[in-house]
Amino acid sequence: GENVEQHPSTLSVQEGDSAVIKCTYSDSASNYFPWYKQELGKRPQLIIDIRSNVGEKKDQRIAVTLNKTAKHFSLHITETQPEDSAVYFCAATASGGSYIPTFGRGTSLIVHP
Amino acid sequence: GAVVSQHPSRVICKSGTSVKIECRSLDFQATTMFWYRQFPKQSLMLMATSNEGSKATYEQGVEKDKFLINHASLTLSTLTVTSAHPEDSSFYICSARDPSSFADTQYFGPGTRLTVL
Repeated sequence: GENVEQHPSTLSVQEGDSAVIKCTYSDSASNYFPWYKQELGKRPQLIIDIRSNVGEKKDQRIAVTLNKTAKHFSLHITETQPEDSAVYFCAATASGGSYIPTFGRGTSLIVHP
Repeated sequence: GAVVSQHPSRVICKSGTSVKIECRSLDFQATTMFWYRQFPKQSLMLMATSNEGSKATYEQGVEKDKFLINHASLTLSTLTVTSAHPEDSSFYICSARDPSSFADTQYFGPGTRLTVL
């Protein structure tokens, strides 16, 4: 089955700095990669996603890059703000099958004002 | 995006009792829903896949007789924790995908915090 590794487990940055979270996956059949943000005690919220036919996607301060050959994808947050503090999860899914995503272990991002 | 609701948001029960958690897709029909368990500061652990009109598919290590799943309609799946014990205390979250959408996005319910005394 799919295995998703996520690093780092904790990331502490100063407000205004950039933050990068990296994930690797093992199943070459995976072709959909969402990123979720989860605040304490709340549901995971989709913040950005990318499909395997695209190498990069950007939405304001958030961007995701995908390297299919190396089987890794990354989340980039620029100009971080305190409200970006949360746990971020990456996931990998193979479309056309069960659509069950495999999640990474999560990264706790702390943005210091 | 699609909306998934979950009820109750919090429940406290005595050891040995059963607790039912409901997951509803509000603006779409979900033939498949997923149930997750999340411990503090940990990732989402898939417990089972709930299939409308058929038996749920449980992940390895999850007791199907303890965590009863029923998906009687296209908008409702229920998870019943039977004979709950303190070690069952956790955050339970459901999710669903809108099959009418071309997207593969999973939409999560708000979660249920279960505390077993």
